[in-house]
Amino acid sequence: ETGVTQTPRHLVMGMTNKKSLKCEQHLGHNAMYWYKQSAKKPLELMFVYNFKEQTENNSVPSRFSPECPNSSHLFLHLHTLQPEDSALYLCASSQAGGRDEAFFGQGTRLTVV
Amino acid sequence: AQSVTQLDSQVPVFEEAPVELRCNYSSSVSVYLFWYVQYPNQGLQLLLKYLSGSTLVKGINGFEAEFNKSQTSFHLRKPSVHISDTAEYFCAVSDGTDKLIFGTGTRLQVFP
Repeated sequence: ETGVTQTPRHLVMGMTNKKSLKCEQHLGHNAMYWYKQSAKKPLELMFVYNFKEQTENNSVPSRFSPECPNSSHLFLHLHTLQPEDSALYLCASSQAGGRDEAFFGQGTRLTVV
Repeated sequence: AQSVTQLDSQVPVFEEAPVELRCNYSSSVSVYLFWYVQYPNQGLQLLLKYLSGSTLVKGINGFEAEFNKSQTSFHLRKPSVHISDTAEYFCAVSDGTDKLIFGTGTRLQVFP
C-alpha cells in the first residue's frame, strides 16, 4: 500500500464513451501528477497540480481533462479517446515538487476499443 | 530542459551475480536524481535518490548508485541480485520544480 489509490484498476471504453479516472491520496501531499505509461516509451508527464492549481500541462490533447477539487483528489476525465491512448495511467503525489519522493498509485490500465 | 537516457532496455543476469543499470542525464541546471522500481502490475516505488552531498547513495533492497557530475551519470548497482529483483527500473531527474522526467526504463531479468 503506497498511500495513493487509483480507481478503477482496469477500464475498457469505446471511442465515443466518457469516463473518469480517480486518484486519492491521504499522505498530506500538496502536489499531484498524472503520468501515461506506454510500452517501450518513457513515462510521459501529463499534468501537475500544486496546491490544487495546475502548474503543468505537457501538451496533452484536450480529450484528456484533469480536475483537482482538493489536495487529496485528482481526476482525469476522458472523452472521444483514440486506440493509441490505450496505456497505463499512473497518478503520483509528493510533498513539495522536485526534491521529494513521488508516491505512485498502482495505475489504471486503459484499453480504448 | 532535462532528459534521461537509460542505455539498456533489458539486462539479463544470473542470481547472485552483480549488476549495473546505466543512466545518463542532461540538464542545464543542478539536478536531483532518482531511481524507481516497478514490479508487475504495480506503480513505481522509490529505490534511492541523490539530492546533494556524498555522491554514493544507498537505497533499499541492497541497491546503491553513484552520482558522477563530470560524466552526467547516475548508474545503479547491486553486488548480488536475487530472483525477486526482477522488475523494471526507471531513472528520473528533476530540476527542483514539479517536473520529474523519467527514462525509458531497464528490464532486469534475474535467472536462477
